[in-house]
Amino acid sequence: QVQLQQSGTELVKPASSVKISCKASGYTFTSNYMHWIRQQPGNGLEWIGWIYPGNGNTKYNQKFDGKATLTADKSSSTAYMQLSSLTSEDSAVYFCATNWFAYWGQGTLVTVSS
Amino acid sequence: DIQMTQSPSSLPASLGDRVTITCRASQDIGNYLRWFQQKPGKSPRLMIYGATNLAAGVPSRFSGSRSGSDYSLTISSLESEDMADYYCLQSKESPYTFGAGTKLELK
Repeated sequence: QVQLQQSGTELVKPASSVKISCKASGYTFTSNYMHWIRQQPGNGLEWIGWIYPGNGNTKYNQKFDGKATLTADKSSSTAYMQLSSLTSEDSAVYFCATNWFAYWGQGTLVTVSS
Repeated sequence: DIQMTQSPSSLPASLGDRVTITCRASQDIGNYLRWFQQKPGKSPRLMIYGATNLAAGVPSRFSGSRSGSDYSLTISSLESEDMADYYCLQSKESPYTFGAGTKLELK
C-alpha cells in the first residue's frame, strides 16, 4: 500500500533553514508528482509546489519562491523540502502528498522560535 | 491566481441532515476540482476528484456536483464521523488553490 512517512517535529531558530523529508513506499516514486502543502495554526491549506522525481522538474507557488526548495532522491524514494530564512510566519504543519492528493504524509510540524 | 470562494465557513447540522458545501471558482477550472475532509490533528483525506467522482473507500452518502462555476459537496444523511473540516482544491492551473474551508459541526 502507498505510504508517505514524513520526518519529525522541528524546532528551529529564526533566520535559519530546515529540511524535512517524505519517504515514499508502495508505488513507483519516479512516476508520480509529489506535492507539498502548508497549514498554518488554525488556518487552511496552501499549495507550495510539486516535484516530479523522475526528472527533478519542479513547479512552485510564486508565494513560496525563494522560501521553499523541493528535491528528490530516487535511490531512497525520498522527497525533501528545504525552507530558508525562517520567520514565525513559517511555523506550520507541512504535508507531502502524491497521486494527485490521494495519499498524504502524516505532516511535519515546524516551529520557528528563538 | 484562481480564487476558490467556499461557503459556508461554518455549518451547524444535525445527524441525519442533508448538507451541502459549495465552492465557486473565479475562472474556468473545468472538472479539476477535488474535495477533502480533515479531522483535527490528521492529514486531509481525498473524498471527491474530477468534481463528481467518489474516491476509493468513501461512503456513498458523499457526492460531488457542478453547476457552471459552482461546485458542491453533498452529504445525504449526516453521520457523527462526518464532523470535520472540508476543503475544495482546484488543480486546473498553477498555483493550485484551496477554498478557505468549512467547519461541519453538530447543532
